[in-house]
Amino acid sequence: DAGVIQSPRHEVTEMGQEVTLRCKPISGHNSLFWYRQTMMRGLELLIYFNNNVPIDDSGMPEDRFSAKMPNASFSTLKIQPSEPRDSAVYFCASRTGYLGETQYFGPGTRLLVL
Amino acid sequence: GENVEQHPSTLSVQEGDSAVIKCTYSDSASNYFPWYKQELGKRPQLIIDIRSNVGEKKDQRIAVTLNKTAKHFSLHITETQPEDSAVYFCAASRAGNQFYFGTGTSLTVIP
Repeated sequence: DAGVIQSPRHEVTEMGQEVTLRCKPISGHNSLFWYRQTMMRGLELLIYFNNNVPIDDSGMPEDRFSAKMPNASFSTLKIQPSEPRDSAVYFCASRTGYLGETQYFGPGTRLLVL
Repeated sequence: GENVEQHPSTLSVQEGDSAVIKCTYSDSASNYFPWYKQELGKRPQLIIDIRSNVGEKKDQRIAVTLNKTAKHFSLHITETQPEDSAVYFCAASRAGNQFYFGTGTSLTVIP
């Protein structure tokens, strides 16, 4: 299994531009999580999906952030418009829904907004 | 919701000594407790986990203990080595739910 796949791995953009991050979960996993990690705020859960349905998006910072999961093998996190304070590493993770099954993280997308 | 607290935030030990990181949780319904290690510039990776029906679990130099009554669990690393230097995160969860992560412990092993 290839594990959780994220793209791009690095993104540099200018303030005001739209940014789209992509994630392919591990096949057979039915829960998907988006996290943001910064030195100041640590690891923050932004949103998670069970069976492609958003369950909790209370961590999404504001309306500039949106996430979709159109099918079991693909999810996107979009920031529009981007701001310098959005600079962070964004991780996607997936797991099965069963007790004792852990989350597996993707390699992350390192985003820099100038 | 669940609240996970982790201590200490930083920890330095001499190579060969033991390291202990402690976490507490608030939701008595949480029943799965993983520990992740994150090396600089890399993703968090699972190193050990424990379910609520088990009090202790060991894997070579690492062990985790769980006290359900007191709602706390701990990571123990023995015979530390420089490659153990990383940030360690604890988490608490219920089946099908999100993971609630602690704020992390930066462990430095001094050669």
